Amino acid sequence: GENVEQHPSTLSVQEGDSAVIKCTYSDSASNYFPWYKQELGKRPQLIIDIRSNVGEKKDQRIAVTLNKTAKHFSLHITETQPEDSAVYFCAAPLSTNKLIFGTGTLLAVQP
Amino acid sequence: NAGVTQTPKFQVLKTGQSMTLQCAQDMNHNSMYWYRQDPGMGLRLIYYSASEGTTDKGEVPNGYNVSRLNKREFSLRLESAAPSQTSVYFCASIQRVYNEQFFGPGTRLTVL
Repeated sequence: GENVEQHPSTLSVQEGDSAVIKCTYSDSASNYFPWYKQELGKRPQLIIDIRSNVGEKKDQRIAVTLNKTAKHFSLHITETQPEDSAVYFCAAPLSTNKLIFGTGTLLAVQP
Repeated sequence: NAGVTQTPKFQVLKTGQSMTLQCAQDMNHNSMYWYRQDPGMGLRLIYYSASEGTTDKGEVPNGYNVSRLNKREFSLRLESAAPSQTSVYFCASIQRVYNEQFFGPGTRLTVL
């Protein structure tokens, strides 16, 4: 079936370093790719998304890149800070009505 | 706007008991979803309702039923709870799949 694979499952970086999380998807018709951040004990919240007519999108320290040919997209966080510590989920549409989520990446930023 | 609300926040059940998780949204969204979140498994879709009056199965529907009561409310029912249903349950809503999906605060359910 259609799925979204996310790697790595855990990532530990030093404060100030960059972090990269990668996702691959199987449905070549997918054209919308959001990223959600979930802090401990809280609900997931959208942090950035990209549509298939764009190769890269940036919002301050966060960027997402998309390679439609290879069917993968990545989240890049630069100059990481302790408050970036959270679980990050990628997602892709599975039909016009629902999203399928990756299994999540636990990012730990060490001060 | 309250966004997406869920009740209860915590619940402990014994095996075989039944309960209903309630969800409501005040954003006039068409679609609503129920997910469960387990360690290392991400967010798995249980059931969804693309619009008022329709419901469909997601990845893991067994043991659950849903009701889209009206445009605002979407409930999830466990008829006979099992320990395998111990999880955190999130309700979510969206206007269209290419827009932000808003999540409720979650319900932490333990089945003994």
